[in-house]
Amino acid sequence: AQTVTQSQPEMSVQEAETVTLSCTYDTSESNYYLFWYKQPPSRQMILVIRQEAYKQQNATENRFSVNFQKAAKSFSLKISDSQLGDTAMYFCAFMPLTNNDMRFGAGTRLTVKP
Amino acid sequence: SQTIHQWPATLVQPVGSPLSLECTVEGTSNPNLYWYRQAAGRGLQLLFYSVGIGQISSEVPQNLSASRPQDRQFILSSKKLLLSDSGFYLCAWSDRLSRYGYTFGSGTRLTVV
Repeated sequence: AQTVTQSQPEMSVQEAETVTLSCTYDTSESNYYLFWYKQPPSRQMILVIRQEAYKQQNATENRFSVNFQKAAKSFSLKISDSQLGDTAMYFCAFMPLTNNDMRFGAGTRLTVKP
Repeated sequence: SQTIHQWPATLVQPVGSPLSLECTVEGTSNPNLYWYRQAAGRGLQLLFYSVGIGQISSEVPQNLSASRPQDRQFILSSKKLLLSDSGFYLCAWSDRLSRYGYTFGSGTRLTVV
């Protein structure tokens, strides 16, 4: 069974600074997708970034980027120039291509301070 | 473009009452559909998923059931609610290969009193 671990239940960062959220996963699959989702206070789940495991290049979406280390089974999210609107729960998720069954980590609550 | 609608947004129900939460998707065909539950301050627990009309897979045994009477409609039900059914319920859809992850509805906050 695949498991996703987010070891940081809570984090905080000053506005305009950079923060990195950690995620590790355990799987025997070789082909899979990894995702980061954001859940603001409204509780709407929003896809932040997506990584295909067969691509070595790290995904980037504006201020959001990932550090994907396949051998280490690590998938961290870096948020640059943090904004107040980045305050949210962030969930790391893993999905093998064999069954489209997405598994989520427990989440990291990020607070951006003014 | 594809959209997902979930209702109601908030629901307060007494213990022992029935439940029906509805989710519909527009702008796509043959979607995979999912129901998740999120307890307060916790992660997401997959409850049910469906790859087609009438095809429902359950992840955990519980007081809830799901149905898919139409291609783009997914319903979460209970005959008798328990206090432990309280939580935030999210519906989601994906394409067949889920290449772009799941798209979530806005959720239903259920409080059983």
